[in-house]
Amino acid sequence: GDSVTQKQGQVTLSEDDFLFINCTYSTTTYPTLLWYVQYPGQGPQLLLKVTTANNKGISRGFEATYDKGTTSFHLQKASVQESDSAVYFCALVLNSAGNKLTFGIGTRVLVRP
Amino acid sequence: NAGVIQTPRHKVTGKGQEATLWCEPISGHSAVFWYRQTIVQGLEFLTYFRNQAPIDDSGMPKERFSAQMPNQSHSTLKIQSTQPQDSAVYLCASSPDKEVFFGKGTRLTVV
Repeated sequence: GDSVTQKQGQVTLSEDDFLFINCTYSTTTYPTLLWYVQYPGQGPQLLLKVTTANNKGISRGFEATYDKGTTSFHLQKASVQESDSAVYFCALVLNSAGNKLTFGIGTRVLVRP
Repeated sequence: NAGVIQTPRHKVTGKGQEATLWCEPISGHSAVFWYRQTIVQGLEFLTYFRNQAPIDDSGMPKERFSAQMPNQSHSTLKIQSTQPQDSAVYLCASSPDKEVFFGKGTRLTVV
């Protein structure tokens, strides 16, 4: 079935470092790929959506793209801040309504001041 | 807009007891979802309602777990005879169309 794989469990960075998180996906249909962010004590919230290969989604300094050839998609930010410390999840839309999701395991990002 | 409201935020139950978790979706949202979050498994889909009708419960454990949506303003997830492995954060989400909005979750601890 459709799935996403996210391998990085935790990333520790210093402020102004570059952040890169990668996921791979498997689907037989045209993918809609998402990045969610979860802050402590909160539910996940949508950060970015990418629906066209090699096009970029950009929000709050984060950039997401996907590569159809390698069936991978990634999230990056050029210069992280302490406030970016959170758990980041990649997700794949599973239904035609666009709202049933399957998530990667999540990457905990810790940014030290 | 208070967002998706989940109550209680924390619940501790003894092994074998029943736990009922409540969700109030955002008004006007037609779809309601339940997910379970653990460190080991991450976010797992449990079940999904659209316009109060059950659409997909493929993620629900076959025994002890049930979900209802008796009206458009709330949904419940009930776990009978809770076991320690049921300990998790249970997240409710609602969606008007394509974007999904999550609540803060209920942390269930089974002791």
